[in-house]
Amino acid sequence: QLQLQESGPGLVKPSETLSLTCTVSGGSISSSSYYWGWIRQPPGKGLEWIGSIYYSGTTYYNPSLKSRVTISVDTSKNQFSLKLSSVTAADTAVYYCARAARITTVRGGPGWFDPWGQGTLVTVSS
Amino acid sequence: QSALTQPASVSGSPGQSITISCTGTSSDVGGYNYVSWYQQHPGKAPKLMIYDVSKRPSGVSNRFSGSKSGNTASLTISGLQAEDEADYYCSSYTSSSTAVFGGGTQLTVL
Repeated sequence: QLQLQESGPGLVKPSETLSLTCTVSGGSISSSSYYWGWIRQPPGKGLEWIGSIYYSGTTYYNPSLKSRVTISVDTSKNQFSLKLSSVTAADTAVYYCARAARITTVRGGPGWFDPWGQGTLVTVSS
Repeated sequence: QSALTQPASVSGSPGQSITISCTGTSSDVGGYNYVSWYQQHPGKAPKLMIYDVSKRPSGVSNRFSGSKSGNTASLTISGLQAEDEADYYCSSYTSSSTAVFGGGTQLTVL
């Protein structure tokens, strides 16, 4: 069964770049039916979609984060990654990676998210 | 993009039915049949409960159902059980080819 696992530093200093990797096991990241995405959840708050990527490299980003976000994919390692630059305390959150359904009937983009990784807490603090 | 609007909390007694609403606009919920619902227990990752407005993934109880009317989607849980107590989030595809979540609803089983 498909599993996703986030990895990366749990502590990042303000103004630096947050970097996380999601490793996919039990299936191929090169599937034509799915995107791969990042979602975050600040402590005690709701979910926020960060962005999604197709195995070919096509990306979709949350407009509110687009200027600071880069999502990339490494099909040889079955991994995809998130970089968020110029972080502040407001970026402190649990970061989840997830597989996303590929919407094909309109202009493309992510649909539902399943499964999810267990999540990793990233704290922004000096 | 603005978050979808959900009630902050709902409650019900065991055996009862409850409905959680999720209101968006014609650019997201109202424009596409790509609304999904997630259940999240404390300290756990969200779990997909409903996708494409009303479809249930394999393994999800048929006590969970989804619907949509105009710009508002709804999740109904019938025969409420103690284990249903959790946070619930809706999500929708948008006309900008992005995804947007609701603010979340805390369900309390009395």
